Amino acid sequence: AIWMTQSPSLLSASTGDRVTISCRMSQGISSYLAWYQQKPGKAPELLIYAASTLQSGVPSRFSGSGSGTDFTLTISCLQSEDFATYYCQQYYSFPRTFGGGTKVEIK
Amino acid sequence: QVQLQESGPGLVKPSQTLSLTCTVSGGSISSGGYYWSWIRQHPGKGLEWIGYIYYSGSTYYNPSLKSRVTISVDTSKNQFSLKLSSVTAADTAVYYCARERLAGNWYFDLWGRGTLVTVSS
Repeated sequence: AIWMTQSPSLLSASTGDRVTISCRMSQGISSYLAWYQQKPGKAPELLIYAASTLQSGVPSRFSGSGSGTDFTLTISCLQSEDFATYYCQQYYSFPRTFGGGTKVEIK
Repeated sequence: QVQLQESGPGLVKPSQTLSLTCTVSGGSISSGGYYWSWIRQHPGKGLEWIGYIYYSGSTYYNPSLKSRVTISVDTSKNQFSLKLSSVTAADTAVYYCARERLAGNWYFDLWGRGTLVTVSS
């Protein structure tokens, strides 16, 4: 299985901040990476796929980058509705695996 | 639009079999182009992929759970189901059904709301 190390696990930030979340793979996965947002009591929602392609309807303040083993999710100007937990997920191979999550909390 | 809804007992006794069903509405499982998956989330923890089924019946399970998992599909009812045998408290989790899109980039583009299953006597 491909292991994913997501960091930080907790990120304290203020509205308007630029935040960056990292996801590192145990082996190269090309660009077969997705990012999800999960709010308490809700299912995850797809934000980005193919490492950098924004899902339809997702605000442009979200962006993704990277390929191979190192990936980044950036929120350019944090909004109140962005306080949530974010997960990366690889779909390069089975079993599908997720990062441990990054909780973005209000500072 | 397509929606997924999990259903099943919220409480299962240790050593018994957990059984959940996911009903697909607004679209047909048989249309192809998707893997129909189960994913779980232990309380306060991350996400764990359990396995998928294609409408044809082909499956793939997470090796960590393979010996205890069975996923089946009923195309006539537009449903797919999960059975997890010999459960313990470690199987207490929110169980999600999800759709994995198969078209160049494969990702989970649709999720059910999730259902909490507690394993306890």
